[in-house]
Amino acid sequence: NAGVTQTPKFQVLKTGQSMTLQCAQDMNHEYMSWYRQDPGMGLRLIHYSVGAGITDQGEVPNGYNVSRSTTEDFPLRLLSAAPSQTSVYFCASSYATGLGNTIYFGEGSWLTVV
Amino acid sequence: AQSVTQLGSHVSVSEGALVLLRCNYSSSVPPYLFWYVQYPNQGLQLLLKYTSAATLVKGINGFEAEFKKSETSFHLTKPSAHMSDAAEYFCAVREAGTALIFGKGTTLSVSS
Repeated sequence: NAGVTQTPKFQVLKTGQSMTLQCAQDMNHEYMSWYRQDPGMGLRLIHYSVGAGITDQGEVPNGYNVSRSTTEDFPLRLLSAAPSQTSVYFCASSYATGLGNTIYFGEGSWLTVV
Repeated sequence: AQSVTQLGSHVSVSEGALVLLRCNYSSSVPPYLFWYVQYPNQGLQLLLKYTSAATLVKGINGFEAEFKKSETSFHLTKPSAHMSDAAEYFCAVREAGTALIFGKGTTLSVSS
């Protein structure tokens, strides 16, 4: 049971570099999202998608891009990394219909921008 | 917009003592409420969820939570703490559009 898979688990970037955090789920979930977790801040929503070809911004979208070309994949792109983007990133997925559906999380990606 | 407030960023208990983690929500419509647990360097695991079926919700690992509309609360409890319960706990509310809104988290420490 793969569930939600994130890669890489750890990454160090230099300021200004670009990279993509990968997220894949094998549960045929329509809804996928990205959160960032910072000490004392809980988890904050970056971007989300309710289906292939549909994305929208969350609470903290600046500096991040997403696309959803398939149901399974939802990559998060940092075009020009900044130290403020040092964080732990979590991808999540669920069935889109029904607010009571469980949202499943990946194991996280630890990103450091120096 | 819906929001969640977790009272107490850090709670310490002795092994065998009652665990009480507080969560208050703000919502103008019936909410869907969740508790997640995060162990060090791991992802989030669902403990339990309230979806209006019953006000007292039982979850995994002996945890339960009671939805109290009059107090806008969804506190998490466990009768007897175990060392393995030490973790960070997050309360969350789900709003229309399927996004989860999280509280800032409560770190639970358990001492022997």
